[in-house]
Amino acid sequence: QVQLVESGGGVVQPGGSLRLSCAASGFAFSTYGMHWVRQAPGKGLEWVAVISYDGSNKYYADSVKGRFTISRDNSKNTLYLQMNSLRAEDTAVYYCAKDPTPWSPTPLWGGMDVWGQGTTVTVSS
Amino acid sequence: DIQMTQSPSSLSASVGDRITITCRASQSVSTYLNWYQQKPGKAPTLLIYGASVRQSGVPSRFRGSGSGTDFNLAISSLQPEDFATYYCQQSYSSLLTLGGGTKVEIK
Repeated sequence: QVQLVESGGGVVQPGGSLRLSCAASGFAFSTYGMHWVRQAPGKGLEWVAVISYDGSNKYYADSVKGRFTISRDNSKNTLYLQMNSLRAEDTAVYYCAKDPTPWSPTPLWGGMDVWGQGTTVTVSS
Repeated sequence: DIQMTQSPSSLSASVGDRITITCRASQSVSTYLNWYQQKPGKAPTLLIYGASVRQSGVPSRFRGSGSGTDFNLAISSLQPEDFATYYCQQSYSSLLTLGGGTKVEIK
């Protein structure tokens, strides 16, 4: 079945770094765009970043631009989120999610149609 | 960035009630508007895309409508499993944004 499994979360000090992974299975990973979305404790959902099917297009929320980097390895069916210069406000559950399209920077139909179970990142001294 | 505003932020309703959640965009997003449902401790699931198209497997009691800046998610005859938080999200801009959520609680 179609599945996304995140890993790599943990506790990190402010200013530290962490790399999240999202392992995909059950679908042709290399043909779809992928997203990261986060949810701070008790708060709503916040979109973080998107990457196109081939990695040629990447976009970031203003809150993480310049600190986070989204990437993918299609040979390993894995999505990544490198998080640097972490702040307390980055504390959240991080979800990876599949786009139903290859993704391009144009208006797109479809939403995010498959989600992982999430991995928790805590930034604290 | 396009701001998405949902109302109400929470509501109480009974099983069998009909409810409507509103989502307003700060600029037109045409029909590039999606709705998600999230239950406590779980990942969100896609309910509606393209403002009005139900995702495969979503019951017909969920109905999305609207275009431009104003959108609605209606649930006719609330079921126990529908008590959850609902989010709208625009996919018109490359910088995706979501509404703050509407929590639907049991009265």
